[in-house]
Amino acid sequence: DSGVTQTPKHLITATGQRVTLRCSPRSGDLSVYWYQQSLDQGLQFLIQYYNGEERAKGNILERFSAQQFPDLHSELNLSSLELGDSALYFCASSRSSEKVNEQFFGPGTRLTVL
Amino acid sequence: ILNVEQSPQSLHVQEGDSTNFTCSFPSSNFYALHWYRWETAKSPEALFVMTLNGDEKKKGRISATLNTKEGYSYLYIKGSQPEDSATYLCAFFNQAGTALIFGKGTTLSVSS
Repeated sequence: DSGVTQTPKHLITATGQRVTLRCSPRSGDLSVYWYQQSLDQGLQFLIQYYNGEERAKGNILERFSAQQFPDLHSELNLSSLELGDSALYFCASSRSSEKVNEQFFGPGTRLTVL
Repeated sequence: ILNVEQSPQSLHVQEGDSTNFTCSFPSSNFYALHWYRWETAKSPEALFVMTLNGDEKKKGRISATLNTKEGYSYLYIKGSQPEDSATYLCAFFNQAGTALIFGKGTTLSVSS
């Protein structure tokens, strides 16, 4: 158990809908990363937050947004969902924003868009 | 386009065999390379974080080396055990912090 929690574990929804994925980092970790893993794709980095501020952005679609709250939990909002958004979404946390800190991954949220 | 390549894509060995696999990454603007181990139905787990050219890290039977000048890292597993069966991922971080790229992984299967 990495200490990172993600809810929900599974989510099934329809195209055009909007969903929110939630992540609570390990106690003491200030940085949160979001990743997407689609079929046959490696882990794709979406976005990083550090202590409430956006720190780095990867291949995140405009339909997706995220935020990190004062209690350091983070939410990833996915809107106007398409079939291709079906994927496993991971959140990871690390102690600081330094790239030398190892990341601790949550169990993931499996999103299915029908 | 920044690319992180891992080879081989998959590997099947017998218990007791030693094995190694490669992660290739851009050699310019290097900052850090991470190795993760990802077991089926679990989440990726950090193995090593490597930053300096010539770095060698070891954890039990697993070790890794880093060559930032030529842009590659090797992961070695000595005396493979069935519990080593997993996908091994590497991730490249550039200096600007604008690139955080994972390879697709090498999937290792160890038979007893």
